[in-house]
Amino acid sequence: AQSVTQPDIHITVSEGASLELRCNYSYGATPYLFWYVQSPGQGLQLLLKYFSGDTLVQGIKGFEAEFKRSQSSFNLRKPSVHWSDAAEYFCAVGGDTDKLIFGTGTRLQVFP
Amino acid sequence: NAGVTQTPKFRVLKTGQSMTLLCAQDMNHEYMYWYRQDPGMGLRLIHYSVGEGTTAKGEVPDGYNVSRLKKQNFLLGLESAAPSQTSVYFCASSYLGGGQETQYFGPGTRLLVL
Repeated sequence: AQSVTQPDIHITVSEGASLELRCNYSYGATPYLFWYVQSPGQGLQLLLKYFSGDTLVQGIKGFEAEFKRSQSSFNLRKPSVHWSDAAEYFCAVGGDTDKLIFGTGTRLQVFP
Repeated sequence: NAGVTQTPKFRVLKTGQSMTLLCAQDMNHEYMYWYRQDPGMGLRLIHYSVGEGTTAKGEVPDGYNVSRLKKQNFLLGLESAAPSQTSVYFCASSYLGGGQETQYFGPGTRLLVL
């Protein structure tokens, strides 16, 4: 069965520091992987997605993610965090189905 | 383009009351979804639709009904609200199957059931 694990419920970083949010998935076939961001009181917005090809994908707002099949991971990274990046981040896995399975989210707090 | 819109933004119900949440999209998307978001639970799929006139159950369908009479609209109904249905509800749409396509989300409806 499909599943997504985001092991970090809450992460706090200083502005300007680097960031890595972890995502592990379980999927029997080739996964389609997504990262979404949710600002307070808002809906979700796509940051980036991986379908195939280059395992390092670039997204909006300076984010990138790396697909590692051997580790069943799709971690999200940003080299320098801005205060406006404070939000909740969701990893999701899909594939040859009509549905996405979302992780439980990681809340990012940024200190000045 | 307005994208995905949801009506209402916020609602308070008493236990046993009924209500309908409306989702509308202007992107000519085939697929539409209703999720609920609860603290620590992420997003859980309630029902979805793969096209006009179709509906299917998601992960947590009990206590909800849906209808997709028009391609651009997807309605979520609560026939007899319960406190356990207090949540934030998000609608989403995608051009093709949600497992492979980007989903576009509405701003959410916050529902409180007393």
